[in-house]
Amino acid sequence: DIQMTQSPSSLSASVGDRVTITCRTSQNIRRYLNWYQQKPGKAPNLLISGASSLQSGVPSRFSGSGSGTDFTLTISSLQPEDFATYYCQQSYSTPMYTFGQGTKLEIK
Amino acid sequence: EVQLVESGGGLVQPGRSLRLSCVGSGFTFDDYAMHWVRQAPGKGLEWVSGISWDSGSVGYAASVKGRFTISRDNAEKSLYLQTSSLRVEDTALYYCVKDGGSRLFPSRSALDIWGQGTMVTVS
Repeated sequence: DIQMTQSPSSLSASVGDRVTITCRTSQNIRRYLNWYQQKPGKAPNLLISGASSLQSGVPSRFSGSGSGTDFTLTISSLQPEDFATYYCQQSYSTPMYTFGQGTKLEIK
Repeated sequence: EVQLVESGGGLVQPGRSLRLSCVGSGFTFDDYAMHWVRQAPGKGLEWVSGISWDSGSVGYAASVKGRFTISRDNAEKSLYLQTSSLRVEDTALYYCVKDGGSRLFPSRSALDIWGQGTMVTVS
């Protein structure tokens, strides 16, 4: 099974900061890496698929990059509504759609 | 509006069964594979099971294989998860999720539409 390692597990930042979250996989997954945002009490929301394809309606301050085993999610200028938990997920080695353990982004 | 609405959760004793249901609307249900993903209280996301558009291919996480059965009824635009031999560790919010781009299971698509979940408590 592919192991997913997200870092950091939690992060404190201020509105306007640039933030980067990293996801590392134990095997080459090419670009089959997706990012989700989950706010408290809500279902996850797909932000980015295929490592860098922004979903419709997602603000352009979100971006994704990487391939192989190392991936990043970047928020260029944090907004109050961005404070949430972020998960990476691989869809290369199916049927096990493995998720990272999550990164909780909190207000400093 | 694309929507998934789950039901069927509740409090159940260990060893018992529960059938979860999900109804889809706002999209052509039988054009997509479907999945169940769960989240234990305060924990991360765990993919549970998936099914192709025609029910011809299904898959399960190792943690539920042999105890859970996924199915669908395209005429009713519904997805089901029959759970049995429930364990305390199955306690979680169960999400019904639409595959992002494929009729097939497994696929390499992301999971693009999530319901609000139905809570299963095993105690």
